[in-house]
Amino acid sequence: GQQVMQIPQYQHVQEGEDFTTYCNSSTTLSNIQWYKQRPGGHPVFLIQLVKSGEVKKQKRLTFQFGEAKKNSSLHITATQTTDVGTYFCAGGTSYGKLTFGQGTILTVHP
Amino acid sequence: ETGVTQTPRHLVMGMTNKKSLKCEQHLGHNAMYWYKQSAKKPLELMFVYSLEERVENNSVPSRFSPECPNSSHLFLHLHTLQPEDSALYLCASSQMSTGVTEAFFGQGTRLTVV
Repeated sequence: GQQVMQIPQYQHVQEGEDFTTYCNSSTTLSNIQWYKQRPGGHPVFLIQLVKSGEVKKQKRLTFQFGEAKKNSSLHITATQTTDVGTYFCAGGTSYGKLTFGQGTILTVHP
Repeated sequence: ETGVTQTPRHLVMGMTNKKSLKCEQHLGHNAMYWYKQSAKKPLELMFVYSLEERVENNSVPSRFSPECPNSSHLFLHLHTLQPEDSALYLCASSQMSTGVTEAFFGQGTRLTVV
């Protein structure tokens, strides 16, 4: 079955440093979604990418979808303490099934 | 308020108890999911229901028994759990169709097995 792998599992950064998490799918995806879960909270949708090679930005966050539509990345520039949490990618198939990656737990030290 | 409501929010149960977790979605979605999230661990998919039919069961022990009576409700029946089953149990819903929509998560049930 479809597998979505996400690395790294944990990332500790100093405030102001950049952060990147990577997502790889065993199969070609229809789209990729990214979610953020704050400590003590539940995952919340951030963005969806659909097109091959697509790049989207949300303030300090940059999301990329690979040309082959099998990988994606989330990059945060100049992390802040408010960025702490777990970031999940989720690969979507053409018929709508979502497969979540394992998530990357981000810790930001002030 | 995400449109997905889980009850109870917190549950403490003994290993011999039987309890049920409830999830209700008000979004008109046709797919619902149960996830387990242990402390400092990522999401583990447990079950997927599409149009009330279980379409995925990721080798979950039989002490967890899901039930989806209709497209808006999802239950997780628990019996003879182990302490290692203590975790946050998250329910989610999405629309499985030709276009993928985002998944909406409930607030979760924090389960402690004593």
